[in-house]
Amino acid sequence: EVQLVQSGAEVKKPGESLRISCKGSGYSFTTHWISWVRQMPGKGLEWMGKIDPSDSYSNFSPSFQGHVTFSVDTSITTAYLQWSSLKASDTALYFCARGFYYDTSGNEAFDIWGQGTMVTVSS
Amino acid sequence: QSVLTQPPSVSGAPGERVTISCTGSSSNIGTSHDVHWYQHFPGKAPKLLIYGSTNRPSGVPDRFSGSKSGTSASLAITGLQAEDEADYYCQSYDSRLSDSVFGGGTKLTVL
Repeated sequence: EVQLVQSGAEVKKPGESLRISCKGSGYSFTTHWISWVRQMPGKGLEWMGKIDPSDSYSNFSPSFQGHVTFSVDTSITTAYLQWSSLKASDTALYFCARGFYYDTSGNEAFDIWGQGTMVTVSS
Repeated sequence: QSVLTQPPSVSGAPGERVTISCTGSSSNIGTSHDVHWYQHFPGKAPKLLIYGSTNRPSGVPDRFSGSKSGTSASLAITGLQAEDEADYYCQSYDSRLSDSVFGGGTKLTVL
């Protein structure tokens, strides 16, 4: 079964660092980009950016550039989303999603999603 | 403010047909960029319903269909069922932002 399994909920204080994970299984991990998507409480989905597991090249939405980093460990087919200094406004549910390129035009949908990781930042 | 505009809510009775619109611009839906639709139950993983504006992944009932025209797209759900009550999001790519973008989401209520 193709799936993405994310790490569990986190409660942190402002200024702390955090890394959450997304483990892929059932497919060739390096052949599909991994995107990260944020859902703030009561709000919609926001695309944060994506990483190519084959070479760790990352593409960030300007709203998140410089505030988060993406990484992968292909030996354990896991992608990571990391913060060096959390803010209260980072409180949200974070999803990883597999990129699905279905044609040669570069159109990308997200066909497999992780279950989400709730991050709570509070003093 | 989302780049793609969806109605905040729609509703329908069991068995009815509802549509959810997704309005964009010339830098996203209005170009060659396709629209994708997701069904999301709160606290769960979103599910891909429609990709490439009109295509259903295997396992998605044919009650769900997508269309695209100009700078807008629509998701239609026929034979509405209670279990369809969820949030629905459209997604595309924006050439000006060089980003994937989501609509603000539409909450479907089955009366």
